[in-house]
Amino acid sequence: DVVLTQTPSILSATIGQSVSISCRSSQSLLDSDGNTYLYWFLQRPGQSPQRLIYLVSNLGSGVPNRFSGSGSGTDFTLKISGVEAEDLGVYYCMQATHAPYTFGAGTKLELK
Amino acid sequence: QIQLVQSGPELKKPGESLKISCKASGYTFTDYAMQWVKQAPGKGLQYMGWINTQTGKPTYADDFKERFVFSLETSASTAYLQINNLKNEDTATYFCARVPLAYWGQGTLVTVSS
Repeated sequence: DVVLTQTPSILSATIGQSVSISCRSSQSLLDSDGNTYLYWFLQRPGQSPQRLIYLVSNLGSGVPNRFSGSGSGTDFTLKISGVEAEDLGVYYCMQATHAPYTFGAGTKLELK
Repeated sequence: QIQLVQSGPELKKPGESLKISCKASGYTFTDYAMQWVKQAPGKGLQYMGWINTQTGKPTYADDFKERFVFSLETSASTAYLQINNLKNEDTATYFCARVPLAYWGQGTLVTVSS
């Protein structure tokens, strides 16, 4: 199975600070169809996960543009340009290139 | 608008079975596969598998091949997750999510305890 390693596991930030989360895959996530099926989700406390980014860098519907995704192959990054209070929660990367699909262990974003 | 509404919380004893429902609305049910995700208390997300809503064919991740069954009631735009022979480690919140994971149900908390 593909292992996704997220770092850091805990991220402390102040409001307005820009932060990044890394997601590294044990295998390339480039599919034979040319797509890279790497997603980012935010799960706020007590809520269902919300999809932020799909196919590495595409912003989900209604997601603020302070979120951005980048990367290729095995290395991917989610960046938040100016953390807001509503961004607090746990961030997960997920790959859907190789079955079984897998999630990273999560990165908890908290206020410093 | 697109919604996935799951059935309510369940409290079961080890060895019992249960069936969780996920009712979809706001789109054509058979146009998108349905995926299932497990989240144990205080833990991360675990992908369980998916079901093709056109053919009814399920695909299970390795950890969920034994006691877990995905099914459909297409006429009711509803997907189901059945768990047989419940174990304490099945205690978790279970989510349905429409491909490509842009829409999620609210989650169903399953508690297994003697």
